[in-house]
Amino acid sequence: KAGVTQTPRYLIKTRGQQVTLSCSPISGHRSVSWYQQTPGQGLQFLFEYFSETQRNKGNFPGRFSGRQFSNSRSEMNVSTLELGDSALYLCASSLAGEITSTDTQYFGPGTRLTVL
Amino acid sequence: KNQVEQSPQSLIILEGKNCTLQCNYTVSPFSNLRWYKQDTGRGPVSLTIMTFSENTKSNGRYTATLDADTKQSSLHITASQLSDSASYICVVSSEYGNKLVFGAGTILRVKS
Repeated sequence: KAGVTQTPRYLIKTRGQQVTLSCSPISGHRSVSWYQQTPGQGLQFLFEYFSETQRNKGNFPGRFSGRQFSNSRSEMNVSTLELGDSALYLCASSLAGEITSTDTQYFGPGTRLTVL
Repeated sequence: KNQVEQSPQSLIILEGKNCTLQCNYTVSPFSNLRWYKQDTGRGPVSLTIMTFSENTKSNGRYTATLDADTKQSSLHITASQLSDSASYICVVSSEYGNKLVFGAGTILRVKS
């Protein structure tokens, strides 16, 4: 069974631009969550989607948004990029349980975003 | 404030030796605690997930313990291998408020 895939793997943008990242979950998984990882802040939870609805949200500004499609694939968008948005963006999928459940979360390899 | 603190920050051990990583938390109410292994340049991989009622859980050479009274967890690695070199991250879940609280991780390096 294929794992979680994320595209693109690497991205370079300039301040003020916007970016869209894509995540394809493991087949049959309906929950998709997004995380930001930086050397300074570590891993931080962005949001979680289930059945095309945002089910949980972390403490990030409204510039960070996401959506989920009927096939469970998900995208996240960051508008008006700032230098501090440079990070590894990770996506994870699980069968159906919320991020606080005991469902195993399977992470993708991430998208490395650099903002210049 | 809900926090997760991991120690040590980094650790170097010889191949074949055992080691123990610590995770202390103040998250309340507690839902579950997870340990992840993250290799450089890759996404985290789940090692164990423990609920309030579980105090030990194993996954091969990895054994996690949980003391919900003292709000402490440990991850014990037995007979370390070079492939154990990675960052180990502790994550505590809560049903309310900040639902996922991440530790900063422990960087483990196993030397031959």
